[in-house]
Order: sequence, then structure tokens, then C-alpha cells
Amino acid sequence: QLVESGGGVVQPGRSLRLSCAASGFTFSNYAMHWVRQAPGKGLEWVTLISYDGRNEYFADSVKGRFTISRDNSENTLHLQMNSLRAEDTAVYYCARDRTTLGFNAFDVWGQGTMVTVSS
Amino acid sequence: QSVLTQPPSVSGAPGQRVTISCTGSSSNIGSNYDVHWYQQFPGTAPKLLIYGNSNRPSGVPDRFSGSRSGTSASLVITGLQAEDEADYYCQSYDSSLTARVFGGGTKLTVL
Repeated sequence: QLVESGGGVVQPGRSLRLSCAASGFTFSNYAMHWVRQAPGKGLEWVTLISYDGRNEYFADSVKGRFTISRDNSENTLHLQMNSLRAEDTAVYYCARDRTTLGFNAFDVWGQGTMVTVSS
Repeated sequence: QSVLTQPPSVSGAPGQRVTISCTGSSSNIGSNYDVHWYQQFPGTAPKLLIYGNSNRPSGVPDRFSGSRSGTSASLVITGLQAEDEADYYCQSYDSSLTARVFGGGTKLTVL
């Protein structure tokens, strides 16, 4: 099970940190992703972190503004979002990859947390 | 504009067969990167439907099947049921973007 938290309303240019608590599986064995969905729009992959935290990948739309991290001792995934823009408004889902490095499908999803960037 | 192209909508009557296409390019599906499919009902998180082009996770009915050929992939649903009405997304990896990519999504309507 994955449970996201930390969403809310934030002004443009400000920061927000999302968390994703994992349970029911060995968190440290899997790569993890963040995927977002703007209101009424499709899915957009945001970022990936490998099982051991050594490798990270980002979509061009968030590169340099977002960082991803994980705490395998706490079974938690984080997304630090800086310099937020209106176009970052979306439901943010954390999702588990079927593999350790993140080159497979997303087989477990959280319920999502809404982030609204507005003045 | 999504890297993977899906029809915005498809429809079919109960019991019929529908196909949802996912068209990519040489930098994603055409490079033999796997295609995965997700089902999403309004207001809920996506659910993995097909992984690795044609594999079904445990619990997914065999009415759902997937395939990949060249630069395209397809999701086929046979014996259409009212509860299949949802949005469907394909997903793969793009080597030019070095990113996981989704199709724009297809809304399935059961008539």
C-alpha cells in the first residue's frame, strides 16, 4: 500500500514537499516513481529513484526544480518541489516499479495528493 | 502533445470487441521498449492492466490482452462489459527523452 501526503495550495514560486508512506512490501527492493495528472488531463511521469537511491531521473518539465529522495529505513518516498508554477497543479501519485532500477511497469499506486499552485 | 498517440475515445456495445491503439516512434516502442497499459476510473488512481506488452497481473481478466508490433501497440478488450468503461493509458520508455512516457489516454464508452 502507498499513501501520499503533503499536498495543498501554494503560491507560485514557493515550495512544497510530498511524502509517500509504503507498507505491505519490502520498500527497499523497488524503484519508485512520482506521476502526476493535471485536472482533466492525462498522466505525466515526473521522476524516478532507484531502489537504493543512487539513481534519479526527471522529466524535462521539472528538472532543476524538483528533487526525489527515499528513506528505506522509514519506508518513505519524498518529492521536494521548488519554484512551483501554475502548470504544476495536479494530483501527484507515487507508484512502485516492478523492478529495482525503474525500467518496468508501475504496479502499485497510491491514492494521490492534490497540489494547487495559485496566488 | 503526447509522445505516444492514442485515440481520444473508443466505444462498443456489451459483448463486443474493442481495440485501443498506441502509436509511438523509433525512439520508444520501435526500439523494442516494453509497453504497459493502465486502467483508470474517474477520481481513482490508475491500475496496471498489462505489463511487458502482453502480460496480465494477477486478477486481471483474460478479456484484456496486449500486443506490440513495430512502432505500435494495442490493447484488446473482448466480451465488453459495462464495468470496463474507463480511461486507458499506454506507457513506455523513450530513449531520446530518457523518460518514461504515457499516451494521451483513451476514454472507453460502453454503449
